[in-house]
Amino acid sequence: DIVMTQSPDSLAVSLGERATINCKSSQSVLYSSNNKNFLSWYQQKPGQPPKLLIYWASTRESGVPDRFSGSGSGTDFTLTISSLQAEDVAVYYCQQYYISPLTFGGGTKIEIK
Amino acid sequence: QVQLQQWGAGLLKPSETLSLTCGVYGGSFNDYYWTWIRQPPGKGLEWIGEINHSGRVNYNPSLESRVTISVDTSKNQFSLNLTSVTAADTAVYYCARSTAVLLQKWGQGTLVTVSS
Repeated sequence: DIVMTQSPDSLAVSLGERATINCKSSQSVLYSSNNKNFLSWYQQKPGQPPKLLIYWASTRESGVPDRFSGSGSGTDFTLTISSLQAEDVAVYYCQQYYISPLTFGGGTKIEIK
Repeated sequence: QVQLQQWGAGLLKPSETLSLTCGVYGGSFNDYYWTWIRQPPGKGLEWIGEINHSGRVNYNPSLESRVTISVDTSKNQFSLNLTSVTAADTAVYYCARSTAVLLQKWGQGTLVTVSS
């Protein structure tokens, strides 16, 4: 299985400030034939199911605010919230879909400082 | 707008079989894979497996010996059976619709507790 490792486990950020979450995969999730990274990001608020934010490492899902952005390639990826809003308090998960079984990172909890 | 609604027993004893069903309302049923994911309390997400309308399944090898996912296209439903449950199977179980492996629509989740 591909192991997904996120850092940090939790992060406290002031409103309006930038939040950055890192995700590392145990092997590359870049598919060379189409040059796409099979990596997505999900947001989970308390008591709710996860919500897809970003796929192909950097493509925002429809309706996701543009303060959310994804970057990276191969084994190292980053989710950035450019200006943290109160409604962004949640746990964020990266997930690879390069190889079955799909696997998720352990999650990063974003809180307001 | 598609909605996924799930149901099933929430309290089981060790060695019993977990059974959950997810109903799909609105949208196409045949164009997607239908997935089960679980989340132990306070922990991360684990992909259990998926099925398409023709019954083709993919399971997580870590659970494959105990898992069966089935589909009923006449009712636009799919189901999860997990045998011989233990306390380690206590989790919120989610059903989800997979579009090219992207989990774009999720059910509300069902907490299943295994306790003697």
